[in-house]
Amino acid sequence: DSGVTQTPKHLITATGQRVTLRCSPRSGDLSVYWYQQSLDQGLQFLIQYYNGEERAKGNILERFSAQQFPDLHSELNLSSLELGDSALYFCASSVGGGAGTGELFFGEGSRLTVL
Amino acid sequence: AQKVTQAQTEISVVEKEDVTLDCVYETRDTTYYLFWYKQPPSGELVFLIRRNSFDEQNEISGRYSWNFQKSTSSFNFTITASQVVDSAVYFCALSEAKAGNMLTFGGGTRLMVKP
Repeated sequence: DSGVTQTPKHLITATGQRVTLRCSPRSGDLSVYWYQQSLDQGLQFLIQYYNGEERAKGNILERFSAQQFPDLHSELNLSSLELGDSALYFCASSVGGGAGTGELFFGEGSRLTVL
Repeated sequence: AQKVTQAQTEISVVEKEDVTLDCVYETRDTTYYLFWYKQPPSGELVFLIRRNSFDEQNEISGRYSWNFQKSTSSFNFTITASQVVDSAVYFCALSEAKAGNMLTFGGGTRLMVKP
């Protein structure tokens, strides 16, 4: 158990819909990261938050947005869903926000299926 | 730009065999960090090791060992006396100091250990 909690574990929805994925980081970790794992793209970095502020952005679509709340949990919002958004979405956390400030611990992921 | 290549997409061995998973990376940064993660069939990503670019000492942890060679930009992972429980997808990852703690993952190597 990594200490990172993600909900829901599984989600099935239809194209055009909007979903919210939630992540609670490990106790004491200030950084939260979102990654997408799909068969064709592999593991792709989406976005990082550190102590409530956006720290780094990867290949995140404009239809996707995220935020980190004062209690440090984070939400990833996916809207206007397309079939290609079906993937496993991981949240990870680390103590710090900069390089070398700690390894990333991953949650079990939220598997999104868009029909 | 940073890049991680795991040329072996799939490896199959028989239990008790030794197996080496290859990882080659590209970076222009002089300070960077290398990681290995394990993704068992259950899906979560499990942290195995982190090395920084200034520490080329090989590391051994039980049946696991890692060989970091800057001259060939490689960070290979060896499992000695493999066991069925080692069956998983293994990911090598890189983070550059200037890119914060964001990880760039390789495509992964699926290891199947047969009894």
